[in-house]
Parts: sequence; structure tokens; C-alpha cells
Amino acid sequence: DGGITQSPKYLFRKEGQNVTLSCEQNLNHDAMYWYRQDPGQGLRLIYYSQIVNDFQKGDIAEGYSVSREKKESFPLTVTSAQKNPTAFYLCASSIQRGTEAFFGQGTRLTVV
Amino acid sequence: RKEVEQDPGPFNVPEGATVAFNCTYSNSASQSFFWYRQDCRKEPKLLMSVYSSGNEDGRFTAQLNRASQYISLLIRDSKLSDSATYLCVVTSPPTDKLIFGTGTRLQVFP
Repeated sequence: DGGITQSPKYLFRKEGQNVTLSCEQNLNHDAMYWYRQDPGQGLRLIYYSQIVNDFQKGDIAEGYSVSREKKESFPLTVTSAQKNPTAFYLCASSIQRGTEAFFGQGTRLTVV
Repeated sequence: RKEVEQDPGPFNVPEGATVAFNCTYSNSASQSFFWYRQDCRKEPKLLMSVYSSGNEDGRFTAQLNRASQYISLLIRDSKLSDSATYLCVVTSPPTDKLIFGTGTRLQVFP
């Protein structure tokens, strides 16, 4: 089946630890995105990539890092520098920039 | 001013009602527009793209007003299953990244 896979679905980490969230797509999409959603809030863009080996900061990139070494994969690392990392993280992809995006099921990260 | 603004609601409507949501955007150069639906604690799912001439998909109608910089979503004959949050999405030039509104919550009651 074609789609976007995020793993794990739930993740618990201790404060001060870095954690990497996985996002893989087999849709042959060029563009990929990471969003963060807090309870009762909208989606805020963390990072996006429109082509392999290139990515740009979104509106809330501080404390996060990404890589795009393969077209299919766009992992997000939440570093210890992120002040409030507990949130719902959503990865999306689109065939190219500016077109409709499709989402993975999300990862709920809880930092204790 | 936010790039994309929506009335958060909630809109509480009875089954069978017609309900409309608006969404305003700030960048007149935006080219692409979408409506997404998000159920509680789930990922957003594409409901429909919005075309300049307006478009319809069953009970759902989307329209774009470039002069006033807003898009709208009309839902006819509301069903209980339409209860969700509806997200407006606009592309932001020059990078065409996707910018989401905070969503409008709809609750359809029997």
C-alpha cells in the first residue's frame, strides 16, 4: 500500500534526551513537511523539504533538526534545546511544492 | 496579522442543516487552497482542493474569492459524521509551503 508511515505512534522520553521521529513515504513525492500540533491548537510548520538534500526552516524550527538524504525519508530530531517538546508531531508529503499534502498518522511525544 | 485565519467555532448544528465556514488569507499572491478535515486526535485528511471557479463534491462546496482573499466551505444536509475540525490551508509564496489555519470545529447533533 502506498502511503506515509510515521513511527512510533507514541513515544516517551526523559527531559534532556534527544529523540528522532521517523517518517517514510512510498508515494514518490518530492516535498515533505513536519508539523507540530498542541492541544486545541492549529498545525505549526517546523521544517520542510522540497527536494532531496535540501530543507528549509519553518516557523518554529528552534530545537529541531532534520535530514533528507533519501527521497522517501525525512526524520525529525527533537533536541534537548526544544523547551516544550511534548506535542503531536505530524509528517506530510506532497507530489511537489504547492500541491495537496497527505499525512502520516502522527507521533505523540511525551517528555517527562 | 496571521497568514490564515478561521473562526474557531464551535458551530453546533442539527442534522440536515446547511453550514458554511469562511477562511481569510493575507498573501494576495497565494495560488493554491485546500480544505482538510481533522477528527479528534487523528491526522488531517484532505477534503477538497479549492479552484478559482468553485467546486463541488457531493454535499460539499468550496469557493474562492480572490478579491476579498477568502475561501469558503459549504456543507449541505449535515450528518452526524461531519462532526470534526475543518482546516483551511493556503500556500505561501515564494516557497509555496503549506500554511494551516487553526481550524473551525463543527458539531452536528441529532
